[in-house]
Amino acid sequence: DTGVSQDPRHKITKRGQNVTFRCDPISEHNRLYWYRQTLGQGPEFLTYFQNEAQLEKSRLLSDRFSAERPKGSFSTLEIQRTEQGDSAMYLCASRPSGTDTQYFGPGTRLTVL
Amino acid sequence: TQLLEQSPQFLSIQEGENLTVYCNSSSVFSSLQWYRQEPGEGPVLLVTVVTGGEVKKLKRLTFQFGDARKDSSLHITAAQPGDTGLYLCAGANEETSGSRLTFGEGTQLTVNP
Repeated sequence: DTGVSQDPRHKITKRGQNVTFRCDPISEHNRLYWYRQTLGQGPEFLTYFQNEAQLEKSRLLSDRFSAERPKGSFSTLEIQRTEQGDSAMYLCASRPSGTDTQYFGPGTRLTVL
Repeated sequence: TQLLEQSPQFLSIQEGENLTVYCNSSSVFSSLQWYRQEPGEGPVLLVTVVTGGEVKKLKRLTFQFGDARKDSSLHITAAQPGDTGLYLCAGANEETSGSRLTFGEGTQLTVNP
């Protein structure tokens, strides 16, 4: 399977704990995106990378959130000191150059108790 | 801020009926994508439309991009229970909003046998 993969698929944590999610994009896709989706809503943009450079961050990305893509391949999204309001589906997408089309992974469902 | 309004939000129909979902904005998009999402999964790409007035067909699904590239529609002919899911439209405009996708809130379609 050469699609976008995300790990873990589900994460349950207690408020105040740190969590880290991983995304492996489609190989040779130089752009990688993170979105957050809450129940009954469409996904909302968080941040994106072109190769290893983080080029844009949403205002939704508070200072408790950090994302990296150190070698321009996989990416991690870390949330520190989780809050109940962080509970959501975190989606990763990748896109090749020359097109607007983004391909999504299966998502990581985060539940903060 | 670019916004996409999607309607209707919920649609419940009988197998064999036709339906249309609308996606409207006051902003111009360079392209518009339609996705279908199942519960607990990431959005799966159905189609990308890039040219004003463009019509694309995918079996029983017909997608249209408005002449001014501000709106789009998805028409399903003879809906089947397997069409049940959340349909999302998403617009991209690299010039004005970077590479992010702006999503509508989605249309939850239920096709009853």
